[in-house]
Amino acid sequence: EDQVTQSPEALRLQEGESSSLNCSYTVSGLRGLFWYRQDPGKGPEFLFTLYSAGEEKEKERLKATLTKKESFLHITAPKPEDSATYLCAVQAETGANSKLTFGKGITLSVRP
Amino acid sequence: GAGVSQTPSNKVTEKGKYVELRCDPISGHTALYWYRQSLGQGPEFLIYFQGTGAADDSGLPNDRFFAVRPEGSVSTLKIQRTERGDSAVYLCASSRLDGDTQYFGPGTRLTVL
Repeated sequence: EDQVTQSPEALRLQEGESSSLNCSYTVSGLRGLFWYRQDPGKGPEFLFTLYSAGEEKEKERLKATLTKKESFLHITAPKPEDSATYLCAVQAETGANSKLTFGKGITLSVRP
Repeated sequence: GAGVSQTPSNKVTEKGKYVELRCDPISGHTALYWYRQSLGQGPEFLIYFQGTGAADDSGLPNDRFFAVRPEGSVSTLKIQRTERGDSAVYLCASSRLDGDTQYFGPGTRLTVL
């Protein structure tokens, strides 16, 4: 069974204080690992897809990396508007179903 | 272009009633997914459509839940004899092709009293 564990559950940062969010996963063959951002009362918003170990992707203050067992979302010099819940999900390459298996998410609060 | 839309945004019902939740995917997207998200949890898979057919409904919790996509576009999730434990946010997502990035709608918050 595919599993995703995210840590920490919650993270409070001061504006400008860089940090990393962790996503550990087990999957029967990885097709892709996805990062989403979710604001309160809204649906998940797509950020990145990573397909193979060693891959990295960047968008503004966010950078996602992938190894064979985990992914990190690095946040450089965060701003209050980066406050949200960050969800990690995996998609298995086996079978016909391209469903996503999600972690519980990490709630990030950035104080001005 | 327009994203995934879901109606209603909020639904309050009484235990035992029947409800229908609607999802309009992004135009041209062939794959459609339903997920359920409880407070403090990540979304959990319910059912997946490729075109008009349900390719995998293994996430539906029991036979009170059913979903259709008759013309390969709009989908309706139907819940019979609702229970308080069905209260959650129901999310719909679509992707251009099977396996592509999934884009989510805003969700329908279902409350069963």
